[in-house]
Amino acid sequence: GQNIDQPTEMTATEGAIVQINCTYQTSGFNGLFWYQQHAGEAPTFLSYNVLDGLEEKGRFSSFLSRSKGYSYLLLKELQMKDSASYLCAVRDTDYKLSFGAGTTVTVRA
Amino acid sequence: IAGITQAPTSQILAAGRRMTLRCTQDMRHNAMYWYRQDLGLGLRLIHYSNTAGTTGKGEVPDGYSVSRANTDDFPLTLASAVPSQTSVYFCASSEGDSYNEQFFGPGTRLTVL
Repeated sequence: GQNIDQPTEMTATEGAIVQINCTYQTSGFNGLFWYQQHAGEAPTFLSYNVLDGLEEKGRFSSFLSRSKGYSYLLLKELQMKDSASYLCAVRDTDYKLSFGAGTTVTVRA
Repeated sequence: IAGITQAPTSQILAAGRRMTLRCTQDMRHNAMYWYRQDLGLGLRLIHYSNTAGTTGKGEVPDGYSVSRANTDDFPLTLASAVPSQTSVYFCASSEGDSYNEQFFGPGTRLTVL
C-alpha cells in the first residue's frame, strides 16, 4: 500500500510563490502525479515525475526524489485562479493511483 | 468530443435502495476507474478495469460492484445503499499500462439517507 502525506492548507499572496510538499511511503513506485482540483469540479492533470529531478511546465514545476520518498509542486507568480486543492498521487507497479488527502491553496489579493 | 461523462450529476437515495452510477468515455481508453472522494480522505479507488471484460478491486470495494462489457462504459452499482456511501464519486480513464495520466469525469454527488 501507499502512505501519502501533504499539508492540509496553505495561504499565499497573489504574485508570490508557494511550494507544496508531498512525502510518500510505498510498496511499489511507478511515477508521481500532481492534480489540480477546483471546488466542485473534477481533478485535472498538472504534472508527472518518474525520474529524480525537476519538471517545469510554465508557472508550475514538480520535483521528485525517489530515495527520499519526496516530491514538491512549485507554483510561481500566483494568480487568484490558482486557488484550488492540489492532489499528490503515487502510481504503483500495477498502474493504480493512490492519492494524498490534498492541499487547499488560498491565494489572497 | 465529450471525454468522460457521468450520470446522474447528483442523487438523493434512501438507504437499502439499489443504485447504478453511469460512466461513459469516448477516448477509447483501455483502463477505467471509480473513486470516491470524502472530505479529509482524498480520492480512494473503489474498482478498476484495465481492459474490457476485466475488473479488479481497489482500496474500498465493499458494497460496490462494477462491470465492463465494452470499452466505453463502466457502471458502478450499489446493491443496497448505506449512509456511509454518501460521497462524491468520480469515474476516470487512461490509456492503460503507460505513464499517461488519468482523465476524470465531472463526478456524481450521492447522498444516502
